[in-house]
Amino acid sequence: AQSVAQPEDQVNVAEGNPLTVKCTYSVSGNPYLFWYVQYPNRGLQFLLKYITGDNLVKGSYGFEAEFNKSQTSFHLKKPSALVSDSALYFCAYILTGGGNKLTFGTGTQLKVEL
Amino acid sequence: DGGITQSPKYLFRKEGQNVTLSCEQNLNHDAMYWYRQDPGQGLRLIYYSQIVNDFQKGDIAEGYSVSREKKESFPLTVTSAQKNPTAFYLCASSRTGAYNEQFFGPGTRLTVL
Repeated sequence: AQSVAQPEDQVNVAEGNPLTVKCTYSVSGNPYLFWYVQYPNRGLQFLLKYITGDNLVKGSYGFEAEFNKSQTSFHLKKPSALVSDSALYFCAYILTGGGNKLTFGTGTQLKVEL
Repeated sequence: DGGITQSPKYLFRKEGQNVTLSCEQNLNHDAMYWYRQDPGQGLRLIYYSQIVNDFQKGDIAEGYSVSREKKESFPLTVTSAQKNPTAFYLCASSRTGAYNEQFFGPGTRLTVL
């Protein structure tokens, strides 16, 4: 079955340290991958997407993600975490020919502490 | 949350009642979507619509119905046939064409009493 997996339910990071939120995919054909963030009791906000081209994708709020085909991963990263980055992060994909129909991972709760 | 509004923010329903959740967008997007969010399960697609007067079932459509009479509006009805309706419901919209990001509304939290 095609899917994305977020292996960590929660990630804790100290403010100022680099952060990584992991995502691996199992998708046939070319994967089209997305990251979204959700603050408490709010809708999701788009961060970035990988469609084709450069494997390093830069997005909103200083986040970036690296597409790694050999490891089937699309980890979200930020060089220096902020307390305000604390939120729920979702990895998602669209199948080739799937238009804009997104399928989401289960989410990773990021907690950035002082 | 961009140009998408959802109402009400909180909704309480008695068992056996149908309820309708509102979703309106002013982004001029052709495509609209409804998701259900449960703790630990991510978001699951209920219905989506690529154009006015047309919509398709998503992964968990049973017990739900939608209409798309206007481009701006995509209301979701949670019927009494939905066995476990308590959840957070999110509406989204996007441009049509391939691989466009979706913009989300603030959500409606439905609780069945």
